[in-house]
Amino acid sequence: ENVVTQSPDTLSLSPGERATLSCRTSQTITYTYLAWYQQKFGQAPRLLIYDISTRASGVPDRFSGSGSGTDFTLTITGLEPEDFAVYYCQQYGTSPLTFGGGTKVEIK
Amino acid sequence: EVQLVESGGGLVQPGGSLRLSCAASGFTFSSSWMNWVRQAPGRGLEWVAHIRKDGGEIHYVDSVRGRFTISRDNAKNSLYLQMNSLRVEDTAVYYCVKGSGWLTMNWGQGTLVTVS
Repeated sequence: ENVVTQSPDTLSLSPGERATLSCRTSQTITYTYLAWYQQKFGQAPRLLIYDISTRASGVPDRFSGSGSGTDFTLTITGLEPEDFAVYYCQQYGTSPLTFGGGTKVEIK
Repeated sequence: EVQLVESGGGLVQPGGSLRLSCAASGFTFSSSWMNWVRQAPGRGLEWVAHIRKDGGEIHYVDSVRGRFTISRDNAKNSLYLQMNSLRVEDTAVYYCVKGSGWLTMNWGQGTLVTVS
């Protein structure tokens, strides 16, 4: 199983600041099969980024993904009030598909 | 617009069974991998199972293999999850998710299963 680890658990930032979320997999991912999801309280997750760096339809360009191999980053440039949420990364190249434990981005 | 509506959740005793359903619309169901993903209260996401568009390939997470069965009916645009021998630790919101290949792309709103 390809274990996914996210850090930090919580990120306390102010609106307008830059958020940098980290994701590490225990094995090199297959191709570029790494995704990021946003989940707000009481809602279903929403796909933000797939294939490491491709934004899903309708996702603002302040969200960007990068990385390779086993180390990946989600960057939110200029946090908006609606961006405060929990973010999960996931590898979807090998079964079982695995998610990280999540990073909560909270208002400082 | 992709719509996924789960049903069948509820309260069940340990050792019991439950069948979840997902009604899909707004896309060509028979062309898509489909998934179940769950989230225990206050916890993270756990992928449970997925099924290929023709039903010919299925994968499960180890913790449910042998107890849960994923299936689909392409004529009815429906996905199912038969859950047997339920445990307290299976308590979660269960999401039906449309795939693009193995990418979990579009999520339903979920149905709550409580084992107690």
